[in-house]
Amino acid sequence: DTEVTQTPKHLVMGMTNKKSLKCEQHMGHRAMYWYKQKAKKPPELMFVYSYEKLSINESVPSRFSPECPNSSLLNLHLHALQPEDSALYLCASSQVAGGPTAYNEQFFGPGTRLTVL
Amino acid sequence: GDSVTQMEGPVTLSEEAFLTINCTYTATGYPSLFWYVQYPGEGLQLLLKATKADDKGSNKGFEATYRKETTSFHLEKGSVQVSDSAVYFCALSLANQAGTALIFGKGTTLSVSS
Repeated sequence: DTEVTQTPKHLVMGMTNKKSLKCEQHMGHRAMYWYKQKAKKPPELMFVYSYEKLSINESVPSRFSPECPNSSLLNLHLHALQPEDSALYLCASSQVAGGPTAYNEQFFGPGTRLTVL
Repeated sequence: GDSVTQMEGPVTLSEEAFLTINCTYTATGYPSLFWYVQYPGEGLQLLLKATKADDKGSNKGFEATYRKETTSFHLEKGSVQVSDSAVYFCALSLANQAGTALIFGKGTTLSVSS
């Protein structure tokens, strides 16, 4: 199984709502990532989890709260978002984070398209 | 700092034309290089990769060769199809950088007409 799954596929939420995005992989990867992608732009790294511990937070606002309950699951909790947070949120995984080059290949999920009203 | 520069396009071609998308990089170490493709409304798919100098990555008729002397990883395909229309991202990843993720170029939009 070389698949990264993400749910939901689409999400519309108001600025006062609380919602969560979910990402799952069963490849035995120990690194998982959240990226944000605006239209016609490359993905921007938000968070990196390595062995279920947060290893990188790219100065992301606290209204985004990541969680890694186990090595297969990654969540992104959303609260009090702004309309400018509307984007495609991509999850990715790799065997390890920052290890030898052979283990750096990242597998991406299909993304959650988020609209904040 | 480490970076990737690629031609931004859009690139517009007729079916069966030859494709080249240029990509150059700047890195302090010895990066792995990747091409990802994003079809409309979808996530990123790894198209091909190369992990050391002179390696050639290939997949689905696409090829790219890791050229350390010119710090380049240009994407080529001999005969494009309408189904190749997508956004192509060149990216690098550096070895032994704890927690380092991918550094992407800005992406090149390819549009192929029949």
